[in-house]
Amino acid sequence: GAVVSQHPSRVICKSGTSVKIECRSLDFQATTMFWYRQFPKQSLMLMATSNEGSKATYEQGVEKDKFLINHASLTLSTLTVTSAHPEDSSFYICSAPKGSGGGNTEAFFGQGTRLTVV
Amino acid sequence: QKEVEQNSGPLSVPEGAIASLNCTYSDRGSQSFFWYRQYSGKSPELIMFIYSNGDKEDGRFTAQLNKASQYVSLLIRDSQPSDSATYLCAVRSGGTYKYIFGTGTRLKVLA
Repeated sequence: GAVVSQHPSRVICKSGTSVKIECRSLDFQATTMFWYRQFPKQSLMLMATSNEGSKATYEQGVEKDKFLINHASLTLSTLTVTSAHPEDSSFYICSAPKGSGGGNTEAFFGQGTRLTVV
Repeated sequence: QKEVEQNSGPLSVPEGAIASLNCTYSDRGSQSFFWYRQYSGKSPELIMFIYSNGDKEDGRFTAQLNKASQYVSLLIRDSQPSDSATYLCAVRSGGTYKYIFGTGTRLKVLA
């Protein structure tokens, strides 16, 4: 299957600082990438859709000024958690679909980033 | 509100038995259905996808789809302790890349 690489896998930061997470599609181009957040024992909740060359689309309840998304190229999307607080501690996962958008489209996931804000 | 529902479990089955995992969805426009396995602290990995009504088999795994009942299931034959994980059902509406995930069912295969 396709490879999506996410970095870093773990990060600990102090409250009030910012953290950047990178998501790269290694062997295909992704005009769209998705960012999810997963709290313990809960499912993946879509935070935002990252669109190459245009603004990200945020889901209801997600603060766009706090979670900055940049999709600067067809293989890279970044999520920056600004002014992080302990309640932002979570598992952040990116995914990139590979396919034409029809029935053969599959989403491939990055390895995830465990963020701990202390 | 588009929803995907799963029983959270845990579902416990003995080694060698068949594990049956179920998922219902609310959006009748959904066209693609996926089962992901997620080990604790890891990212989800795709097990199977299904688009058409009926059964689709891949090794020990069989996905079943019934669009009329808005129901998709995953059967795991000859369950192994290594199958112990959380299984996420995901649904994608036609024409979009968005996936809606269920809360997952935790499966425990007892040795």
